[in-house]
Amino acid sequence: DAGVTQSPTHLIKTRGQQVTLRCSPISGHKSVSWYQQVLGQGPQFIFQYYEKEERGRGNFPDRFSARQFPNYSSELNVNALLLGDSALYLCASSPRVRTSDKEKLFFGSGTQLSVL
Amino acid sequence: AQSVTQLGSHVSVSEGALVLLRCNYSSSVPPYLFWYVQYPNQGLQLLLKYTSAATLVKGINGFEAEFKKSETSFHLTKPSAHMSDAAEYFCAVSDSMTGFQKLVFGTGTRLLVSP
Repeated sequence: DAGVTQSPTHLIKTRGQQVTLRCSPISGHKSVSWYQQVLGQGPQFIFQYYEKEERGRGNFPDRFSARQFPNYSSELNVNALLLGDSALYLCASSPRVRTSDKEKLFFGSGTQLSVL
Repeated sequence: AQSVTQLGSHVSVSEGALVLLRCNYSSSVPPYLFWYVQYPNQGLQLLLKYTSAATLVKGINGFEAEFKKSETSFHLTKPSAHMSDAAEYFCAVSDSMTGFQKLVFGTGTRLLVSP
C-alpha cells in the first residue's frame, strides 16, 4: 500500500506569492493534518481536517488555509508568502479524528518550501 | 497547554554504546507520548507510542522508552547504537481528551554515532 504522498517535493517562491501544497493520505484514512517544520525546530501543528471539515487549527495566521476533498486528499494554501514561511511542510494521515490507543499518525516526506 | 522539552540538541555516542535521549513532558490530562525519528530529507517515522497500557514501551529498531509519571519523563533508550541510528529524534505529546488530533513536538535531538 502507498504511504502518505506529498507534492511537490521542493518549491521555490518569492515573497508575496501564493503557494498550494498537496497531500494524499493512506487509503482508508479520513484524517489529514498539516505541520510546519522550520529548520532546526520540531514540527508545529497547522490544521487537521476530518471528513472534509476543519477539526483543529494551530496558531497560524489567516494567510494559511486548507481544504479536504471527497477522496480525503488535501491542499494547504499559503498566501502573501513571507521569508519566514520557508520550511518543510509535512502532511500526516490517520483513520480517525482523535488520537487513540490503537491508531498511529503516518507522515509523508514533506514539501520543502523556500521563499526568496 | 501541553509541551515537551528535549534536553540536549545533540548527543554523540560511539557505535555499540548506550543511547539515551531525554524528554520531559507537561500535560494537565493523561497524555499520549511519542518518539519519532527523522532521517535527512525524509518525513517522520514513528518509533514508539505510550498509551497508558504499559509504562515500558518497546518500539522498532531496538528502541524503548519508559513512562515515569513522578518525573514527567519519557526518555528513549537503545542498548547498543548502530551507525544507522544517526538521525534527528523528536519527542511529542498529544492530548487524550481533545476532540481532534494535535501533536506538540519538542525541538529535537540529533544523534551522532561514531565508529
